[in-house]
Amino acid sequence: GQQLNQSPQSMFIQEGEDVSMNCTSSSIFNTWLWYKQEPGEGPVLLIALYKAGELTSNGRLTAQFGITRKDSFLNISASIPSDVGIYFCAGYSSASKIIFGSGTRLSIRP
Amino acid sequence: EAQVTQNPRYLITVTGKKLTVTCSQNMNHEYMSWYRQDPGLGLRQIYYSMNVEVTDKGDVPEGYKVSRKEKRNFPLILESPSPNQTSLYFCASSRQGTSGPYNEQFFGPGTRLTVL
Repeated sequence: GQQLNQSPQSMFIQEGEDVSMNCTSSSIFNTWLWYKQEPGEGPVLLIALYKAGELTSNGRLTAQFGITRKDSFLNISASIPSDVGIYFCAGYSSASKIIFGSGTRLSIRP
Repeated sequence: EAQVTQNPRYLITVTGKKLTVTCSQNMNHEYMSWYRQDPGLGLRQIYYSMNVEVTDKGDVPEGYKVSRKEKRNFPLILESPSPNQTSLYFCASSRQGTSGPYNEQFFGPGTRLTVL
């Protein structure tokens, strides 16, 4: 089946640093989504991307839909303690199945 | 308050004992999905439903059943649970918007299931 490779699996960074994570797919997607999950809760949507090449920001978060439609990245600028959590990418192509990446666990050194 | 509710939140059961996890949403959403989350694997879609009486398999449907008799409810049924179905389960709902069915997807709080 379709797979999403998300990297890195985990990051341990200093507060104030910028963060970058990405997802690649073996298949083309029409939509890429980025979610954040905090302990004990379900994922919450951060950014949705609908067109190849699209660059979208949400506060300190910026995500891009790759030109090939097979990849996407998420950047977080000037990280703060509340950015801690697990970040997931997800993609889908039609009104059918959605595929999630395996997640990037972000931890911040005080 | 707009929300997706799941019950139970925690369940420990034994192999082969049928169980149902309920999911209900109060937002009149067309789409509903069930996911399981396992360490290192992210979320995997089990089943999804596009509307009442319309369901289809996700990526990992084996061992699960669903039904969508009413728009607000989407129960997940394990007819004969096995230990490999021990996992964290999430229900989610969303509108069939012009940008696609999974945008603005609201997730429930999760159900942690242990099958002994």
